[in-house]
Amino acid sequence: DSGVTQTPKHLITATGQRVTLRCSPRSGDLSVYWYQQSLDQGLQFLIHYYNGEERAKGNILERFSAQQFPDLHSELNLSSLELGDSALYFCASSVDRWQVNTEAFFGQGTRLTVV
Amino acid sequence: AQSVTQLDSQVPVFEEAPVELRCNYSSSVSVYLFWYVQYPNQGLQLLLKYLSGSTLVKGINGFEAEFNKSQTSFHLRKPSVHISDTAEYFCAVSDDGQNFVFGPGTRLSVLP
Repeated sequence: DSGVTQTPKHLITATGQRVTLRCSPRSGDLSVYWYQQSLDQGLQFLIHYYNGEERAKGNILERFSAQQFPDLHSELNLSSLELGDSALYFCASSVDRWQVNTEAFFGQGTRLTVV
Repeated sequence: AQSVTQLDSQVPVFEEAPVELRCNYSSSVSVYLFWYVQYPNQGLQLLLKYLSGSTLVKGINGFEAEFNKSQTSFHLRKPSVHISDTAEYFCAVSDDGQNFVFGPGTRLSVLP
């Protein structure tokens, strides 16, 4: 158990809908990273928040957004869902802003299926 | 822009044999290099990382990797694999420790 909690574990929704994925970081970790893993695109970094502020953006679509709340949990919002958004969405947390001197710990992911 | 190539999508190897998983990268700036392992139905776990200094990096579970700047490679090795090493392995690069680019992954299958 990495200490990172993601809910829900599975989500099935229809095209055009909006969903929210939740991530609770390890106690004491200030950074939250979001990643998407799909068969087509592989593993992609989406976005990074540190202590409530967005710090880095990767290949995140405009239909997707995220935020980190004062209690440090984070939510990834996916809207106008398409079939191609079906993927495993991971979050990871770390103590520092940079994954250089510290390690990021990954949750078990939320599997999103868009039908 | 950075990119990562993992030339082998699947590597079958017998138990107790050595293994090398290849990773090549391209970047116009200095990067940090990482290897992650993903066991079935699990998130990623960091195996090791190269930041600077010695080009030979030792990680967890007996894995090591060698950074070769001239060949822009960061190959992962283990002298003797176990059944429990069966997993997907991802190489990744980052120039700032925040934004990561991952390779497509190599599926290691250890056969009895």
